[in-house]
Amino acid sequence: NAGVTQTPKFQVLKTGQSMTLQCAQDMNHEYMSWYRQDPGMGLRLIHYSVGAGITDQGEVPNGYNVSRSTTEDFPLRLLSAAPSQTSVYFCASKAQGSGGPPDTQYFGPGTRLTVL
Amino acid sequence: RKEVEQDPGPFNVPEGATVAFNCTYSNSASQSFFWYRQDCRKEPKLLMSVYSSGNEDGRFTAQLNRASQYISLLIRDSKLSDSATYLCVVNGGGYQKVTFGIGTKLQVIP
Repeated sequence: NAGVTQTPKFQVLKTGQSMTLQCAQDMNHEYMSWYRQDPGMGLRLIHYSVGAGITDQGEVPNGYNVSRSTTEDFPLRLLSAAPSQTSVYFCASKAQGSGGPPDTQYFGPGTRLTVL
Repeated sequence: RKEVEQDPGPFNVPEGATVAFNCTYSNSASQSFFWYRQDCRKEPKLLMSVYSSGNEDGRFTAQLNRASQYISLLIRDSKLSDSATYLCVVNGGGYQKVTFGIGTKLQVIP
């Protein structure tokens, strides 16, 4: 199993550009999420999905869109990049079998995004 | 008050030392607690869950004190490979209620 994969690993954008961060998992996990990590702050939840076709907002959703058309993929779209979106983005997944809210999440290697 | 608070460190300790980190949380209804480890420029990985009865995994011991609302992580006989940032994670219930601390950086010195 590759686990959780993310592409690209690094990205530089100009203000106003749009792009999609890719996330895929091969563990058949139903729950997937996107976090951003900034210096001096804990990981913050952007969006999450409890299954194909179902998404919801997290703590910091503004400026980002998600969709979940398959169990495996959960892309994150930046609509119009801003310097405040410079961050490290992590995708994570968790099996739903145990029920209840997410706890043991498996994280992808991250995407380091710089917006100029 | 932040939902989850950790001392960011760094904690610089010699090899073989014992080191302990605490993490306080504000939501008394929090349901589950975890320690994650994050190496420099890598993704977080689950280190261990934290139970009221305490739990031990080799050189690592985690404890929960619900009355005082904190969890702790004790590392005995520190190794160079223990150098990392240790994230406290608290689940307050529901998908949006998982809160990560900023992490405590540990540097084990030869």
